[in-house]
Amino acid sequence: DQQVKQNSPSLSVQEGRISILNCDYTNSMFDYFLWYKKYPAEGPTFLISISSIKDKNEDGRFTVFLNKSAKHLSLHIVPSQPGDSAVYFCAANAPRRGGSQGNLIFGKGTKLSVKP
Amino acid sequence: DGGITQSPKYLFRKEGQNVTLSCEQNLNHDAMYWYRQDPGQGLRLIYYSQIVNDFQKGDIAEGYSVSREKKESFPLTVTSAQKNPTAFYLCASSMGPPLAGSTDTQYFGPGTRLTVL
Repeated sequence: DQQVKQNSPSLSVQEGRISILNCDYTNSMFDYFLWYKKYPAEGPTFLISISSIKDKNEDGRFTVFLNKSAKHLSLHIVPSQPGDSAVYFCAANAPRRGGSQGNLIFGKGTKLSVKP
Repeated sequence: DGGITQSPKYLFRKEGQNVTLSCEQNLNHDAMYWYRQDPGQGLRLIYYSQIVNDFQKGDIAEGYSVSREKKESFPLTVTSAQKNPTAFYLCASSMGPPLAGSTDTQYFGPGTRLTVL
């Protein structure tokens, strides 16, 4: 049973427009979320994160929104550029008991294509 | 340069052979992780280590083994007991348990693609 879901396997956007990538989760105990970008045959690159005590975090062209009541987060890329074309993974941290470090649970990814 | 290195980039092995994948980091991170990625799938956790000489099984540890004798190194052995070893393997590291309300970001190496013939 997937705890982190990215329901859109792919997304195509025109250069200069906004890209919105969505992620849903089921576990209300997740305490922070991250977005990674991945090119083929390379390791994921960290993009942006958000703690569960916030509802928005912005870094340049990238903004992550968290809606805890809906258990939903989204990544907005504005403006989109052809170099943004990659697979984007959403990940959530599941805290372990006693406050020790949890582990990341990843969605299956969304392939973003930005067309010139 | 600080970072995580994995070697080799591509690895081929015959069925039934054990193979060890290397992962080294010079970020002074306490925690290290191994993931596996299959086509169309997310990353699945194999093993992780929060501190030297300690490691824990992840979601798909069967057929794999690890060691953490040094802070900088976390090698993964894919044994002959692993039924579907062909995959893209990713190593990651992070600083360690975060303060409440903050995040512990994992940083990834470039990956090793293992193909078992």
